[in-house]
Amino acid sequence: EVQLVASGGGLVQPGRSLRLSCATSGFTFDDYAMHWVRQAPGKGLEWVSSISWNSGSLVYADSVKGRFTISRDNAKNSLYLQMNSLRAEDTAFYYCVKVRGYGGYFDYWGQGALVTVSS
Amino acid sequence: SYELTQPLSVSVALGQTARITCGGYNIGSKTVHWYQQTPGQAPVLVIYRDNNRPSGIPERFSGSNSGNTATLTISRAQAGDEVDYYCQVWDSSTVVFGGGTKLTVL
Repeated sequence: EVQLVASGGGLVQPGRSLRLSCATSGFTFDDYAMHWVRQAPGKGLEWVSSISWNSGSLVYADSVKGRFTISRDNAKNSLYLQMNSLRAEDTAFYYCVKVRGYGGYFDYWGQGALVTVSS
Repeated sequence: SYELTQPLSVSVALGQTARITCGGYNIGSKTVHWYQQTPGQAPVLVIYRDNNRPSGIPERFSGSNSGNTATLTISRAQAGDEVDYYCQVWDSSTVVFGGGTKLTVL
């Protein structure tokens, strides 16, 4: 059974940093690119970032470019999102997501980690 | 940047057919995926590559894509279908989601 378990969310002040982790199991992690997708409370889905299987390709949404860094540790079957210079508008549930194929679809989603940016 | 437009809400009578559209420039040249999201839960894939159903998704769900509009069709709508739906495409190396549609089953 595929599982994606995100952790590291919480309440943080504007301008501070937070690191999300996503522990995965049930599939060959280093065969797949991985993504982060977020959803502000009561709002729609927003794609955040992607990382290729070997970390050779990192892509970011304009809204987080220069502030967020995606990474992975294939030995630990884990995905990460380092979030710096956090803003109130970064408040959201952050989902780690497995993608099927290049330019493909999101076949498995984690449960979401809530990040609240507030003073 | 590429944009996808979905109606905020769609209503359908119980047992009838609902159609949720996803508009984008020449979207027919792209591959569209659809997700269903129950409040408080993670999204679930219901249609991939325009018109394919993952295992476990009822045959009542189907998709089409042509021109400037992709459509998710839900036949014989049930009360449990009354949740949010999102379309998704790739634009170069980035992912684009539609704004989401809330389906109301009357």
